[in-house]
Amino acid sequence: ILNVEQSPQSLHVQEGDSTNFTCSFPSSNFYALHWYRWETAKSPEALFVMTLNGDEKKKGRISATLNTKEGYSYLYIKGSQPEDSATYLCAHYNTDKLIFGTGTRLQVFP
Amino acid sequence: GAVVSQHPSWVICKSGTSVKIECRSLDFQATTMFWYRQFPKQSLMLMATSNEGSKATYEQGVEKDKFLINHASLTLSTLTVTSAHPEDSSFYICSAAAGQRSYNEQFFGPGTRLTVL
Repeated sequence: ILNVEQSPQSLHVQEGDSTNFTCSFPSSNFYALHWYRWETAKSPEALFVMTLNGDEKKKGRISATLNTKEGYSYLYIKGSQPEDSATYLCAHYNTDKLIFGTGTRLQVFP
Repeated sequence: GAVVSQHPSWVICKSGTSVKIECRSLDFQATTMFWYRQFPKQSLMLMATSNEGSKATYEQGVEKDKFLINHASLTLSTLTVTSAHPEDSSFYICSAAAGQRSYNEQFFGPGTRLTVL
């Protein structure tokens, strides 16, 4: 199994701060990278599916970039709000299945 | 977005009993459903992939006779943990995709916490 690493493991920020975290994955035979947002006691919610090197996707205050050659993706949150508190998971599509990282747990304090 | 429900949300059972977990896609037809397991402080790990009307494909190390998967319709898949033991205690979560391949967007249920005494 080829690992997906996410950092940091957890993050505490103040409301209004912008933040970002990293997902690294094997760069060979890349096909797709998924980002999910997972609030406690709820279903993981799909944020982005990224396939092209240099891709940049945006959904409101959240955006993501993708570098398939070096094997990393960044997720950015602009002006964090308490409702952004969640675990953010990335998953790399490899050999016909998604390989997940352990997630970055974000806590935004008012 | 698409909604996937999972039932029950938690279950406690005695060692040796069987437990069935249901996964339903509520507003779309799921060609493929996936079952994952998550142990504490670990990542979601795929257990098996099931396509409607055919046998599930199990990941290496997952016993197919222990974890029975049935995907009888395009909206329902079930996972039965047979003769559960304490080491089966885990968080089980399903996802559904409208496409055939797992690189398609997957829609997750809220998960089931299984505790085996």
